[in-house]
Amino acid sequence: GAGVSQSPSNKVTEKGKDVELRCDPISGHTALYWYRQSLGQGLEFLIYFQGNSAPDKSGLPSDRFSAERTGGSVSTLTIQRTQQEDSAVYLCASSPTRSWDTQYFGPGTRLTVL
Amino acid sequence: DQQVKQNSPSLSVQEGRISILNCDYTNSMFDYFLWYKKYPAEGPTFLISISSIKDKNEDGRFTVFLNKSAKHLSLHIVPSQPGDSAVYFCAAVNQAGTALIFGKGTTLSVSS
Repeated sequence: GAGVSQSPSNKVTEKGKDVELRCDPISGHTALYWYRQSLGQGLEFLIYFQGNSAPDKSGLPSDRFSAERTGGSVSTLTIQRTQQEDSAVYLCASSPTRSWDTQYFGPGTRLTVL
Repeated sequence: DQQVKQNSPSLSVQEGRISILNCDYTNSMFDYFLWYKKYPAEGPTFLISISSIKDKNEDGRFTVFLNKSAKHLSLHIVPSQPGDSAVYFCAAVNQAGTALIFGKGTTLSVSS
């Protein structure tokens, strides 16, 4: 079946604008995760959803970041008033249940803030 | 303050030899660790994990060793193959089990 998909694959925006990144998990996967990888940095865990709820939002870098998941499927990561330091590849993953071992990653969205 | 550290940014190994990638952590309460491999322009893929109740876990060419007293784990790849060339990330699950904490990665290059 289809893997995890993310859109857009690339996004260039101006500083101060809002952006929405979308993740479509594998059908039937109840858990969904967001990560980012900044240039020269390692992977940074942002948030995960079990169903539609996110038990721990402390990984989001600032209050400009928010994420939601509706219907236990698609998730959006929204960044308000983007800053240049938000430039990164944003990765989404899903797993059948909440399991760190069985995550399937999408190809990522490369965000560039000018 | 980094809680998971991979102090070697890069490692070069010849095909057929052993690759050893190291990872240190600071929080003794971490009890589950994972290794991921990442190729350029692709998402990471899970490689192997280990629980703190074990000191070794093996899967084919990949073995992870955990030394709890030293707060150190290592990934051994034997024999190394050119297709193993990638960035390897070590990660720990936080105490609450709600997040992964990653190291900055080690780039492995295996030459034929």
